[in-house]
Amino acid sequence: DAGVIQSPRHEVTEMGQEVTLRCKPISGHDYLFWYRQTMMRGLELLIYFNNNVPIDDSGMPEDRFSAKMPNASFSTLKIQPSEPRDSAVYFCASRRGQGRDEKLFFGSGTQLSVL
Amino acid sequence: DAKTTQPPSMDCAEGRAANLPCNHSTISGNEYVYWYRQIHSQGPQYIIHGLKNNETNEMASLIITEDRKSSTLILPHATLRDTAVYYCIVRAMDSNYQLIWGAGTKLIIKP
Repeated sequence: DAGVIQSPRHEVTEMGQEVTLRCKPISGHDYLFWYRQTMMRGLELLIYFNNNVPIDDSGMPEDRFSAKMPNASFSTLKIQPSEPRDSAVYFCASRRGQGRDEKLFFGSGTQLSVL
Repeated sequence: DAKTTQPPSMDCAEGRAANLPCNHSTISGNEYVYWYRQIHSQGPQYIIHGLKNNETNEMASLIITEDRKSSTLILPHATLRDTAVYYCIVRAMDSNYQLIWGAGTKLIIKP
């Protein structure tokens, strides 16, 4: 398996522009997570899905952020409009089921810079 | 807030065992101890987890004290590629999926 695939790897945009980050989870995984990582705040959970349904979006910072999972193999995180404080590394992660052997698999992340 | 305490940084010589401590004095009976690591510019990578028994896999060993208030991750023969930030996390298996990530330990392997 290719692992969790994120695109783009790097994104540079100007304040006010719309940004869309993409994620393909590992096939067969039914949980998908979006995280944000900054030097100041570390790794923060933004939202997670189970079987394509959003379960907890309490970590989404504000209404400018939205996430969708239209099918089991694809998810997007959108920021509209983007602001400089959104600059961070955004990670997508997935896992299979729930139980004793839970393991999160992370993608390589998207480095977002909002100028 | 993270429920674990780790030293901010550690050094280890290449080829030696790296022992990374973690304190989790408020751990509950149903909470597991997880270890992940993050190599520079990559996403976090799962290493190992355990409840109360010591665990070993191809990457590392996890030693949990009898009172479960602390644990140690052991990398038996550290290599330069083990340089990373190591995160110790506690989580109940039956909770919704909220891994609380602390600052971790920056482990530097020196040649």
